[in-house]
Amino acid sequence: TQLLEQSPQFLSIQEGENLTVYCNSSSVFSSLQWYRQEPGEGPVLLVTVVTGGEVKKLKRLTFQFGDARKDSSLHITAAQPGDTGLYLCAGARSSNTGKLIFGQGTTLQVKP
Amino acid sequence: GAVVSQHPSWVICKSGTSVKIECRSLDFQATTMFWYRQFPKQSLMLMATSNEGSKATYEQGVEKDKFLINHASLTLSTLTVTSAHPEDSSFYICSPQGSTDTQYFGPGTRLTVL
Repeated sequence: TQLLEQSPQFLSIQEGENLTVYCNSSSVFSSLQWYRQEPGEGPVLLVTVVTGGEVKKLKRLTFQFGDARKDSSLHITAAQPGDTGLYLCAGARSSNTGKLIFGQGTTLQVKP
Repeated sequence: GAVVSQHPSWVICKSGTSVKIECRSLDFQATTMFWYRQFPKQSLMLMATSNEGSKATYEQGVEKDKFLINHASLTLSTLTVTSAHPEDSSFYICSPQGSTDTQYFGPGTRLTVL
């Protein structure tokens, strides 16, 4: 059973377009983290959201944590080829200290 | 972010041999170490969790006698894949955790078993 559903799993868009990646769950998370991973490398932390309804911005990336802390979204404005990579959401359950539950990942390809 | 190193970054071995992967947290003390496995175009799958000085806790379906984890110090953990087989070929990633809840990931080790 996948506790964190991430969609879409693959996205190919043109440079300049906007996109949104979603992570949904029926479970409540104490925090949710978004990572970006390039081929052959480990995931790199982009942001951590901990408060329901929280919105964080990182340049052209906007992250939102759902009010009930069960879902999150990542919105990229005016995507660039350098945004290409695997985006992963991961939730921390308060009952499993430190253990992250990962979504399936979204492979993003931005064409110039 | 924290600095985490893994060695080797890639390794090719023959079927039946054992391979040891090292993970070091270079600028903080890792009280907990998570080991993940990632197959091509898939997400990370947690294999085991270890606390410094204690035995590791393995996820369901992960053989503890095949994937030996040692977490002898707060800055070093090792994963040994014993009697490796082609199906063990994967990308292995460590993730040390210190005093904060934030997890940082190592650069990964690509294992190819022939």
